Amino acid sequence: NAGVTQTPKFRILKIGQSMTLQCTQDMNHNYMYWYRQDPGMGLKLIYYSVGAGITDKGEVPNGYNVSRSTTEDFPLRLELAAPSQTSVYFCASSHGQGSRELFFGEGSRLTVL
Amino acid sequence: AQSVTQLGSHVSVSEGALVLLRCNYSSSVPPYLFWYVQYPNQGLQLLLKYTTGATLVKGINGFEAEFKKSETSFHLTKPSAHMSDAAEYFCALIIQGAQKLVFGQGTRLTINP
Repeated sequence: NAGVTQTPKFRILKIGQSMTLQCTQDMNHNYMYWYRQDPGMGLKLIYYSVGAGITDKGEVPNGYNVSRSTTEDFPLRLELAAPSQTSVYFCASSHGQGSRELFFGEGSRLTVL
Repeated sequence: AQSVTQLGSHVSVSEGALVLLRCNYSSSVPPYLFWYVQYPNQGLQLLLKYTTGATLVKGINGFEAEFKKSETSFHLTKPSAHMSDAAEYFCALIIQGAQKLVFGQGTRLTINP
């Protein structure tokens, strides 16, 4: 069982470029989440999804977009990258019922120069 | 609205000493409570969780936490710190029917030799 897999692990972007962070899970979880983590700032929710075809904004959605066409995949799109988007991004998933435990990927470190 | 407050963004203890990381919560209904650990350059992983039942919860690596409703607390403890416990620790909360966990700001634990 691979769990939650994120790619790429590291990426450097120039200002104004676009890219997609990939996230896939093999646990058949309904709920998926994207967080960003900045030093000393904890985790901030960007977007989340409670099932295929359903997405909703979190605390800090500006500059990002998501889609959820399948249960397994939840890509995060950065349009017109800005230095403020330099961060570590984490994808997570949850069954959505029962204990509500989140399973996290290993993170994607993005630098915008 | 629910909230989680972790007291102390940075805690430092000596190897072999007691570890105590504080977490207080606010919730109008009974919450599910979690502690996650993040080792350097890794994603978060579940340390322990409280859902219902026994209020003293044991987790991995010798950690435990006690749910105290009267004090709205869920403090994390370990009797004897080990160098490998150095990490960032996050307390989190969710209520039944909610779609998103609420995270505290995190506490960085340093272990002194």
